[in-house]
Amino acid sequence: EDQVTQSPEALRLQEGESSSLNCSYTVSGLRGLFWYRQDPGKGPEFLFTLYSAGEEKEKERLKATLTKKESFLHITAPKPEDSATYLCAVQAPIQGAQKLVFGQGTRLTINP
Amino acid sequence: GAVVSQHPSRVICKSGTSVKIECRSLDFQATTMFWYRQFPKQSLMLMATSNEGSKATYEQGVEKDKFLINHASLTLSTLTVTSAHPEDSSFYICSANSGGAETQYFGPGTRLLVL
Repeated sequence: EDQVTQSPEALRLQEGESSSLNCSYTVSGLRGLFWYRQDPGKGPEFLFTLYSAGEEKEKERLKATLTKKESFLHITAPKPEDSATYLCAVQAPIQGAQKLVFGQGTRLTINP
Repeated sequence: GAVVSQHPSRVICKSGTSVKIECRSLDFQATTMFWYRQFPKQSLMLMATSNEGSKATYEQGVEKDKFLINHASLTLSTLTVTSAHPEDSSFYICSANSGGAETQYFGPGTRLLVL
């Protein structure tokens, strides 16, 4: 069964304190790994798609990387506005119809 | 680009009534739309997948007669919660992608409260 596990469940950082969020996955034939940001009471906002091990993508203070077993979302010098829940999801052919399997998310809080 | 809207954003209804939620892709044609439910402090759970012009595919445990999904056009899908009960209260979110693209773009969500 395809599984996605995110850690830590919650993370508090001071403004400017860099860190990484982890997404471990078990999937039969990864088709894509997705990172989303979700603010309270809102739908997820797309951040990145990674397709193969070794791939990296960046956007402002965020950088996503991918290995064969996990993905990291690195956040450099975060600001309070980066506070949100970060969701990781995988897509695998066995699921069919482009379905996504989501992890439980990491709630990130950046204190000023 | 890739904007998805939902309406209404919030709805309160009495137990036993039906509620319709609309999901629209504003700047692309959505060949596939997805409906999710999210309970407080939990992740998204896929309810069903719908392709334009065909019947929706429901996930195991989701009652297709209770959660009616219609995907009549390439820009609109609707979810109707029939005979809603308090346990149906949740945050309902739709997503969409265009043909051949894997990335799903999500709507802002609809908060349903059944009294």
